[in-house]
Amino acid sequence: EDQVTQSPEALRLQEGESSSLNCSYTVSGLRGLFWYRQDPGKGPEFLFTLYSAGEEKEKERLKATLTKKESFLHITAPKPEDSATYLCGASGTYKYIFGTGTRLKVLA
Amino acid sequence: DAGITQSPRHKVTETGTPVTLRCHQTENHRYMYWYRQDPGHGLRLIHYSYGVKDTDKGEVSDGYSVSRSKTEDFLLTLESATSSQTSVYFCAISRSGTVNQETQYFGPGTRLLVL
Repeated sequence: EDQVTQSPEALRLQEGESSSLNCSYTVSGLRGLFWYRQDPGKGPEFLFTLYSAGEEKEKERLKATLTKKESFLHITAPKPEDSATYLCGASGTYKYIFGTGTRLKVLA
Repeated sequence: DAGITQSPRHKVTETGTPVTLRCHQTENHRYMYWYRQDPGHGLRLIHYSYGVKDTDKGEVSDGYSVSRSKTEDFLLTLESATSSQTSVYFCAISRSGTVNQETQYFGPGTRLLVL
């Protein structure tokens, strides 16, 4: 069965404390692995798409990596404005599947 | 900004009444999607469309129907709303024919409460 699992469910960091969010996936015929940021009361905001194992993409303090079984979203020296829920999703044979997200809180 | 608007943004309705949610896009994309988002379940695909009058079911399509008579509009209808359909509904598009064509871009959402 296709599935996407994110961990941890919630994460609290001090400002400047780097960490990583995990997305484990089992998806038939993976066509893309996606990361989104979602703020309360808003729609998911696109961050990255990764297509093949070994691929990496960066944007400001965020870096996404992909292996054959999981993806990581690395957050370097986070700031309070990085607080949000981060969603991972994948497209495959059965279209799109999303994880339940990681709620990140960065404390000043 | 993917040029997606959803209406209404908030709605309260009663069990058994029909409800229609509208998604409107301004960029002429072929693919459009409806999701619901619930705590503990994440985003789940309800229906999607790959062109005018071309639609298909997603993971949680029971109790929902869709229509797409124009490229820019994708309607989601709850024929007889139930309390289990209380949720936040998101519309999304994907930019087919581009390098990043699998990527979906989401609208702002509609909060629906069924009493």
